[in-house]
Amino acid sequence: AQSVTQPDARVTVSEGASLQLRCKYSSSVTPYLFWYVQYPRQGLQLLLKYYSGDPVVQGVNGFEAEFSKSNSSFHLRKASVHWSDSAVYFCAVSDTGNYKYVFGAGTRLKVIA
Amino acid sequence: GGIITQTPKFLIGQEGQKLTLKCQQNFNHDTMYWYRQDSGKGLRLIYYSITENDLQKGDLSEGYDASREKKSSFSLTVTSAQKNEMAVFLCASRGVSGNTLYFGEGSRLIVV
Repeated sequence: AQSVTQPDARVTVSEGASLQLRCKYSSSVTPYLFWYVQYPRQGLQLLLKYYSGDPVVQGVNGFEAEFSKSNSSFHLRKASVHWSDSAVYFCAVSDTGNYKYVFGAGTRLKVIA
Repeated sequence: GGIITQTPKFLIGQEGQKLTLKCQQNFNHDTMYWYRQDSGKGLRLIYYSITENDLQKGDLSEGYDASREKKSSFSLTVTSAQKNEMAVFLCASRGVSGNTLYFGEGSRLIVV
C-alpha cells in the first residue's frame, strides 16, 4: 500500500533563508509524486510533479524537488523564501493506472522577518 | 484554463440533518474526487468518480453519499450530520496528462 510521511508538522524559517521540506513515500512501483501548496482559505495548488527523467524537477515560484529512489524521498527546496511562501505544503503520491492519491499530513511553513 | 467551483462555501446544519455539497468543473475532466480535510491532517478520500454515472468509495465513505449525473458536476451528501465531522470538504478533478489534480477552494461544514 502507498503511504506518504511528512515528518515536520511545522517549520519556521527567516525570510531570505533556504528551505527544505521533507517527504518520504512508499510505493511498489515508481509513482507520480506531487507537491501542493495550500494558502489560507483556499484549495490546493500544484507546485510541481515528478514521474520520470531528471530527478530534480523545477516548479513554480522558485521551488524545486529532488526524487531519490534509494531513499524513497521527494524533498522540496527553495533557495530563498519570501513571507508570501507561508502556507501549508502537502506531498502526495499516485501510482500509474491508479485513480487514488495518498496525501501526507502537510507541513505548515511560517516565514518570519 | 478551467476552474472548479464548490457551493456553498459554508454549510451550516443541525445534527442529524442531511446536507449536500456541490462541485462543478469546466475542465471537461472525466475523473472527479471528494476529499475531507480535518485541521492538522492530510486529505482523506471520501468518494471518487471515474466518469459520468460512476461512483467509487474511498477510505471515508461511511456516512456519505455521492452523485455524478453529469460529467461536469459531482455532489456529496452528508447523510446525517454530526458535530465530529465538521471539516473542510475539497472537490478535485484529474487532468488528462500527468495525473495532476485540480482543486476547488473548499466548503466548510459547520454542525450546530
